[in-house]
Amino acid sequence: ETVLTQLPDTLSLSPGERATLSCRASQSVSSSNLAWYQQRPGQAPRLLIHSGSTRAADIPDRFSGSGSGTDFTLTISRLEPEDFAVYYCQQSGLSSKFTFGPGTKVEMK
Amino acid sequence: QITLKESGPALVKPTQTLTLTCTFSGFSLRTSGVGVGWIRQPPGKAPEWLALIYWSDDKLYSPSLKARLTITKDTSKNQVVLTMTNMDPLDTSTYYCARAPEYNYACFDYWGPGTLVTVSS
Repeated sequence: ETVLTQLPDTLSLSPGERATLSCRASQSVSSSNLAWYQQRPGQAPRLLIHSGSTRAADIPDRFSGSGSGTDFTLTISRLEPEDFAVYYCQQSGLSSKFTFGPGTKVEMK
Repeated sequence: QITLKESGPALVKPTQTLTLTCTFSGFSLRTSGVGVGWIRQPPGKAPEWLALIYWSDDKLYSPSLKARLTITKDTSKNQVVLTMTNMDPLDTSTYYCARAPEYNYACFDYWGPGTLVTVSS
């Protein structure tokens, strides 16, 4: 099973700042099978990025995804108040099993 | 407009079987490539994928829970049902259903609001 590690656990930033979130896989993941989600308190996860770098429908262009192999990054170019939330990466690997990372919380400084 | 909604009991006793229904609209499980999955999330923890059923009736299960899970679909009713046997207090979670889209079966693009299931005697 592919294990995902996310760093940091918590990111303390101010509105307008840039956020860089890391997702590392225990074995190589096809970028086609790497997604990022945002979860606000009391809500379901929301798909932000699929295929490693493709924004989902209606996702603002301040969100971008990059990476390959075992290292992937979600970047939020300028934080808006509504971006303070928990972010999860997720991969689909061998036999199409799905695993999620433990999450990074982006909190307001 | 695509929507999904989970329904089922809020409280189950240990050893009982949980049955959850996902009722969806705005897409069809007759469409090639589409799937509906179940994901759960214990309070304060990360999501955990449970099962997925495709338009073709192919089914995938989490290896660690496979023995306890069954996923089925009723295409005419736009419903997907998940059963989980031998429930334990550690299974207390919010259970979500979500769509795996035809453009990328490796992610979930629309999610239901979730239903909290508590396992307690």
